[in-house]
Amino acid sequence: QKEVEQNSGPLSVPEGAIASLNCTYSDRGSQSFFWYRQYSGKSPELIMSIYSNGDKEDGRFTAQLNKASQYVSLLIRDSQPSDSATYLCAVNIRTGANNLFFGTGTRLTVIP
Amino acid sequence: SQTIHQWPATLVQPVGSPLSLECTVEGTSNPNLYWYRQAAGRGLQLLFYSVGIGQISSEVPQNLSASRPQDRQFILSSKKLLLSDSGFYLCACPTGTGYEAFFGQGTRLTVV
Repeated sequence: QKEVEQNSGPLSVPEGAIASLNCTYSDRGSQSFFWYRQYSGKSPELIMSIYSNGDKEDGRFTAQLNKASQYVSLLIRDSQPSDSATYLCAVNIRTGANNLFFGTGTRLTVIP
Repeated sequence: SQTIHQWPATLVQPVGSPLSLECTVEGTSNPNLYWYRQAAGRGLQLLFYSVGIGQISSEVPQNLSASRPQDRQFILSSKKLLLSDSGFYLCACPTGTGYEAFFGQGTRLTVV
């Protein structure tokens, strides 16, 4: 069983719509959850972090965490063509230096 | 804020040739450094991590090795490259809370 799973997509949404990206994780002891955006040919950049159950909003981005269901999601409101990228979910699974596990990413395309 | 320098940005190497990728970090005192690889169509795979000079942990058996000769320097090497070593190599260090990763710009390696 993979530690972090994401739907690989591709996910296509029209400009202005809400894009919903989902991620599940296997370790119930996980404490920290992150969303990275990766443009084609570039390195991942952190866009959201969430540590407790509920919603966390930052501009057009909302991260949602449900530890009971082992589920974390990212909502992008008013999607823009510039949001077209691959979104990686990452989970801090265990203590120590080796603790961050990534999903394979969901490719999002926002259609003008 | 931290800066991660990686070079070269792109590299084309023949099968059987040696490899040396260098990563240097500025602006952080956190000693943990990571090498990840992202193969085409696959997720980020942690290759090595280091908690200090001379301290290397390998996550997967492979054709690669890593060294930490200085606190802010992390080197990825191979004596003989394989076709399967092709990929996007990313150096990273923790940031903020220490749980999330901050990435360098990466080196795209193509083994031919």
